[in-house]
Amino acid sequence: AQSVTQLDSQVPVFEEAPVELRCNYSSSVSVYLFWYVQYPNQGLQLLLKYLSGSTLVKGINGFEAEFNKSQTSFHLRKPSVHISDTAEYFCAVSGNTGGFKTIFGAGTRLFVKA
Amino acid sequence: DGGITQSPKYLFRKEGQNVTLSCEQNLNHDAMYWYRQDPGQGLRLIYYSQIVNDFQKGDIAEGYSVSREKKESFPLTVTSAQKNPTAFYLCASSIVAGTGEYEQYFGPGTRLTVT
Repeated sequence: AQSVTQLDSQVPVFEEAPVELRCNYSSSVSVYLFWYVQYPNQGLQLLLKYLSGSTLVKGINGFEAEFNKSQTSFHLRKPSVHISDTAEYFCAVSGNTGGFKTIFGAGTRLFVKA
Repeated sequence: DGGITQSPKYLFRKEGQNVTLSCEQNLNHDAMYWYRQDPGQGLRLIYYSQIVNDFQKGDIAEGYSVSREKKESFPLTVTSAQKNPTAFYLCASSIVAGTGEYEQYFGPGTRLTVT
């Protein structure tokens, strides 16, 4: 069975500071990993995904994430955040053995302060 | 523009009434999903459909029903048997289901309040 743990429920940070949102997963098979962002009262949209290959994945809005197989982590980073990055961020994992299911983490709420 | 539409955005119902949430996509995706979102709990899968006229229960299907008569449409009915129906409901689609590498595209959500 797969699971996803987002280690921080809320992350406050000042504008232009760097941020890291942490995500750990557990799985008995190879995985695909995703980060989604949700702005207030909206649906989720994809930030980036890891399928295979380079462990550093770049996404939209200046975000990037690094897949670390030994630590079963997929942390999301941005070197300098903006007020507009205030949102909820979800890490998600799915397997590559034919099971369709995507498991979502509980979310991390990022607050960017002026 | 391709995408997923959900209507209405806000819905209010009295306890004991069934209510149907609409979800339409024009992305030509085979797979569609319904999730429920509650504060601090992430997304929980209610039902999913991989092809027309076929659907399966997710983790929290009790008190919900769906249909998939057309590829574009996947309505969700919240029945009076659902014990705590007040929540934010999200519909999503993906190119296919069953292989895991395809991301999901989400609609804007419907916030249901039952009193």
